[in-house]
Amino acid sequence: GENVEQHPSTLSVQEGDSAVIKCTYSDSASNYFPWYKQELGKGPQLIIDIRSNVGEKKDQRIAVTLNKTAKHFSLHITETQPEDSAVYFCADRDNYGQNFVFGPGTRLSVLP
Amino acid sequence: DTGVSQDPRHKITKRGQNVTFRCDPISEHNRLYWYRQTLGQGPEFLTYFQNEAQLEKSRLLSDRFSAERPKGSFSTLEIQRTEQGDSAMYLCASSLWDPGNTIYFGEGSWLTVV
Repeated sequence: GENVEQHPSTLSVQEGDSAVIKCTYSDSASNYFPWYKQELGKGPQLIIDIRSNVGEKKDQRIAVTLNKTAKHFSLHITETQPEDSAVYFCADRDNYGQNFVFGPGTRLSVLP
Repeated sequence: DTGVSQDPRHKITKRGQNVTFRCDPISEHNRLYWYRQTLGQGPEFLTYFQNEAQLEKSRLLSDRFSAERPKGSFSTLEIQRTEQGDSAMYLCASSLWDPGNTIYFGEGSWLTVV
């Protein structure tokens, strides 16, 4: 089945610095890649997504890049703020396109 | 518009008891998903519905688990004869079905089996 790997598992940055989280996937047919942010005790919240027909998408301080050849996509957060501290999950659709397979998550800590 | 709603948010139960969780999806979303999440892990797929039809079940969904979506709106997830290994957060998500569907999660239902 589909496999999604995510690195790093933990990431600490100083407030104002940038953070990058990378995910790799195994199914070359995957075509949709969302990123979720999960705060303690809450459900995952969609923050940005990208479809396979584009290489980059940006929304204010958040951007996602996709390299279909290498089968990886990355989340970029610029000018990090303490409220960015959370666990971030990447995902892609499974081989049958029916549901999503999630990475193991990255715990981001933004230090003031 | 309200998001995906789950109830109860927290449940503590004794081993061997049955528990039921309810999910109300975003209105007009015809797809509804159940995921399970344990500490330090990403959500793991359990099952999903399109309208009232249950189209796929994960191998994680043992015989003690049953999910229903009788009228194609809200869904219930029942766990019978709970075990300590069932302790987790049970997440519900919903979406419209189209080639680029995005799934939206509820806040989850925490289950602790003691």
